[in-house]
Amino acid sequence: AQSVTQLGSHVSVSEGALVLLRCNYSSSVPPYLFWYVQYPNQGLQLLLKYTTGATLVKGINGFEAEFKKSETSFHLTKPSAHMSDAAEYFCAVSAKNSGYALNFGKGTSLLVTP
Amino acid sequence: DADVTQTPRNRITKTGKRIMLECSQTKGHDRMYWYRQDPGLGLRLIYYSFDVKDINKGEISDGYSVSRQAQAKFSLSLESAIPNQTALYFCATSDNSGRAEETQYFGPGTRLLVL
Repeated sequence: AQSVTQLGSHVSVSEGALVLLRCNYSSSVPPYLFWYVQYPNQGLQLLLKYTTGATLVKGINGFEAEFKKSETSFHLTKPSAHMSDAAEYFCAVSAKNSGYALNFGKGTSLLVTP
Repeated sequence: DADVTQTPRNRITKTGKRIMLECSQTKGHDRMYWYRQDPGLGLRLIYYSFDVKDINKGEISDGYSVSRQAQAKFSLSLESAIPNQTALYFCATSDNSGRAEETQYFGPGTRLLVL
């Protein structure tokens, strides 16, 4: 079964600092991986996704993620954090055995300090 | 107007009551999903539907039922609510291609409190 593990339930960075949110996957087949963001009192919004092809994926709001098969990782990064990036971030993998519903990680709450 | 809407946005109910959460979408998608979100647990799949006649249980379907009244509408029912069903519930849709890489689009969520 496909699953993901997010390392760190809370991450705090200073405004302008690098954002790094970690996600490792477990899959016996090539995975399709997603990062979603949830702003306070809102639904989930797609940041980016990896399907096939280029391993460096660029998303919205300056975020990007790199698929590393050798490390089974799909970490999310942003060079310079902004206060508006404070939110909950979810890594997810598409699960073939449930109609391609998403198996989510437990989430990482990003705090950005002035 | 939002593509995926959920009603109500907030609901407080008592143990043993039957309640229904509704989801509507204007994206023309066939596939619809219900998830629940609990703090520290991420989102977990309750039910999913490929079309009006195709409904499937997800990881945590016990205590829930669903109805797909039309392509655009997918309702979640709690037949007899219990306190551990207190959670944030999300509806999502994806298009009809059946491919693993398709994006899911989420509604704004329904916050449910069971007393």
